Formats: sequence, C-alpha cells, structure tokens
Amino acid sequence: EIVLTQSPGTLSLSPGERATLSCRASQSVSSSYLAWYQQKPGQAPRLLIYGASSRATGIPDRFSGSGSGTDFTLTISRLGPEDFAVYYCQQYGTSRLTFGGGTKVDIK
Amino acid sequence: EVQLLESGGALVQPGGSLRLSCAASGFTFRSYAMSWVRQAPGKGLEWVSTISSNSDTTYYADSVKGRFTISRDNSKNTLYLQMNSLRAEDTAVYYCANIWAGALDHWGQGTLVTVSS
Repeated sequence: EIVLTQSPGTLSLSPGERATLSCRASQSVSSSYLAWYQQKPGQAPRLLIYGASSRATGIPDRFSGSGSGTDFTLTISRLGPEDFAVYYCQQYGTSRLTFGGGTKVDIK
Repeated sequence: EVQLLESGGALVQPGGSLRLSCAASGFTFRSYAMSWVRQAPGKGLEWVSTISSNSDTTYYADSVKGRFTISRDNSKNTLYLQMNSLRAEDTAVYYCANIWAGALDHWGQGTLVTVSS
C-alpha cells in the first residue's frame, strides 16, 4: 500500500499570502493518479486538482499542482478568505485509493 | 447538475448490519466506477471500497474486507454498501463519489453511521 504523508500538519497564514502544501509518497505514484481535495467544516470534500497538475472544473487558477514520482505540491498563490480549509492529497494505484492525513490551512 | 445522495445511515449496535444507498443523477452513472469513502469524527478521509462501472470488479480496504460488500444497480442509478459485523471503529460519515481520471470527481453530502451500544 502506498502511504501518503502530508506536511505541514497545520499552516497558519494571512489572506493574500502564498500557501505551499506538500504530499510525499512512500513509493512512486503515477502523476496521472495524484489528486488534491479541499474540505471545509461540515462539507464534503471537493476535487481541486487531478493528474497532479490539472485543475478540476470551476477551480480558480490561484490553485496549482505540481510534482512527480514521490513528491507533489499544491500551491495557492494568494489565499482568499474562502481558502482556509483542510486539504488532502490522494493517489489511485492498482484500483486502491489512499489519502494523506491532511493539511489544515488556518488564519494567522 | 451532478447529484449524489446518500441515505441509510443510522445508529446501530456493535455486530449489527446496515445498508447504505447512493442515488446518482445528472451524469451517465453506468459509465463510471464508484467508490465509498468514510470519515470518522474529527479524522481524515479513508477509502472504503470501489466498484467498476459494470460491477465485474470490486476492491476493499483491509479494514472492511469480508464485512462490507459494495454493489450497484445501473438500471436504478444507485450504489450500495452492505455493512455487516459493524464495529465501533466503523463510526463515520460515509460518502459516495464517482471516479474520473483516477480522482473522486463528485461527492455526495454523506450519511452518518454510528456504531454504539
């Protein structure tokens, strides 16, 4: 099973700042199958990025994904007030999915 | 508009059974693999199970293998999760989602399963 480790656990930033979230895999992940989600309290997760770097429908371009192999990054170029949430990475390999433990982005 | 609506969550005693349903609309249900994902209170996301578009292949997390069964009825646009031998650690909000390009594209609002005596 591929284990995904997200860091940091919590990121405290101010609106307008840049957020950089990391997702590291225990073994190589196909870039085609690395995704990022945003989850706000009391809501279902929402797909942000698929294929490591492609934005899902309706996702603003301040969200970007990058990386390959075992190291992936989600970047939020300028945090809006609606971006404070928990973010999860996820991989899909051999038809089994695994999630990272999440990074909480909160207001500094 | 894509909609996924889970139902069937309830309070159940340890060792009991429950069947969750997920009614899909707004997309061609029969064309997509589907998954169940759960989230224990205050915890992260945990993948539970996946079923292929035509039901010929199913996959389970080790934590539920042998106790849970995923199925679907493409004529009714509905996904199911039969949960047997429930344990306290199965307490969670259960979400259904469709798989697209290796990602969980659309999610339902979730249904709460509480296992407690």
